Amino acid sequence: KQEVTQIPAALSVPEGENLVLNCSFTDSAIYNLQWFRQDPGKGLTSLLLIQSSQREQTSGRLNASLDKSSGRSTLYIAASQPGDSATYLCAGDPRAGGTSYGKLTFGQGTILTVHP
Amino acid sequence: DGGITQSPKYLFRKEGQNVTLSCEQNLNHDAMYWYRQDPGQGLRLIYYSQIVNDFQKGDIAEGYSVSREKKESFPLTVTSAQKNPTAFYLCASSPRGANNEKLFFGSGTQLSVL
Repeated sequence: KQEVTQIPAALSVPEGENLVLNCSFTDSAIYNLQWFRQDPGKGLTSLLLIQSSQREQTSGRLNASLDKSSGRSTLYIAASQPGDSATYLCAGDPRAGGTSYGKLTFGQGTILTVHP
Repeated sequence: DGGITQSPKYLFRKEGQNVTLSCEQNLNHDAMYWYRQDPGQGLRLIYYSQIVNDFQKGDIAEGYSVSREKKESFPLTVTSAQKNPTAFYLCASSPRGANNEKLFFGSGTQLSVL
């Protein structure tokens, strides 16, 4: 059974710092890996999706990488801002291929605080 | 605006009572899902539905029931058999197809026991 772990559980950084959030998964037979953002008391917003054939995806100041062989994904946030403060979750899709069923396995999340 | 609407935002359940959480989407997505989130934990899948009139149990389906009579709607009932229902419930949807796999989430319902 796929297990997803995120380190660190919480991170506090000053504004402007570049930072890395880590996600590890136990089963390398992963179809894709998604990173989500969750604000307090809100739903999740998909940030980046990396398919198994890809190694990384970029969107603005965000860059996510996927290394299936080592069972790791990282989310890099450049020039962090107070508005980036939120919980960041990664989730792995264990499908071998085909249509999406959304049966993702989620990590516990990293709580990020960016202070001015 | 297209999106997923969950209601109510807050819900209280008395012991022995069944309660129903609403989830409606106007994204024309085929697949819909219910997740449960407990503090400090990741999301766990309760039920999912790939098409109308069909749904499958997720990892923690006991004490819950769903229906999918319309493409737009996927209500979740928390039954009295669910002994620890206090949690944040999230509904999500996605289009079917290998190239469209992002999940879109509603804003959630916080369920508490009186």
